[in-house]
Amino acid sequence: DAGITQSPRHKVTETGTPVTLRCHQTENHRYMYWYRQDPGHGLRLIHYSYGVKDTDKGEVSDGYSVSRSKTEDFLLTLESATSSQTSVYFCAISEPQMGEDSGSTDTQYFGPGTRLTVL
Amino acid sequence: AQSVTQLGSHVSVSEGALVLLRCNYSSSVPPYLFWYVQYPNQGLQLLLKYTSAATLVKGINGFEAEFKKSETSFHLTKPSAHMSDAAEYFCAVSVIGNQFYFGTGTSLTVIP
Repeated sequence: DAGITQSPRHKVTETGTPVTLRCHQTENHRYMYWYRQDPGHGLRLIHYSYGVKDTDKGEVSDGYSVSRSKTEDFLLTLESATSSQTSVYFCAISEPQMGEDSGSTDTQYFGPGTRLTVL
Repeated sequence: AQSVTQLGSHVSVSEGALVLLRCNYSSSVPPYLFWYVQYPNQGLQLLLKYTSAATLVKGINGFEAEFKKSETSFHLTKPSAHMSDAAEYFCAVSVIGNQFYFGTGTSLTVIP
């Protein structure tokens, strides 16, 4: 199993409070991702990072920010939590590998998830 | 734009029966395709991936998938279902840029 941990694993918070979720990896992979999983939607990308201090937005980035000051840590912050951000959050990591046609064949490896409830 | 469609959000099979989970993709460039499995309260685990080396891909736990370009499909199969196969299965597509696009998932129930 890839060395990925997420903390906390469960959190209950109130609307309007800031929340930070942490993803920690021991694999030294360059890419890190934050997804949210909701019934009927599968996994949707929130933000990703392609190196220290290099981040970009995903499909559902509104209301979220990220930071990556070290290769091993990727933080997801909800500046002011809302009930619509109640979800299960997954971190993933990958290391670029070029395929035969020069396309990326990265495999993403996932952490165990954080269940966040916003009341 | 890339997208993935998984037909059937819930599939039930009897123990020992064939498992068939469907995945169709849309991609403007040759894709890389993945199947992941998620057991309750766990993260996603890679089952198998297609990266253009061979159209029939064998994965873990006896699963395999066949890439059919003409049908834009990457269906997951297993000849004989076990109780331990009960889980949620996700198909995903990746193109250059390291971004994955996931299907909405198929929940597999295995009936004893």
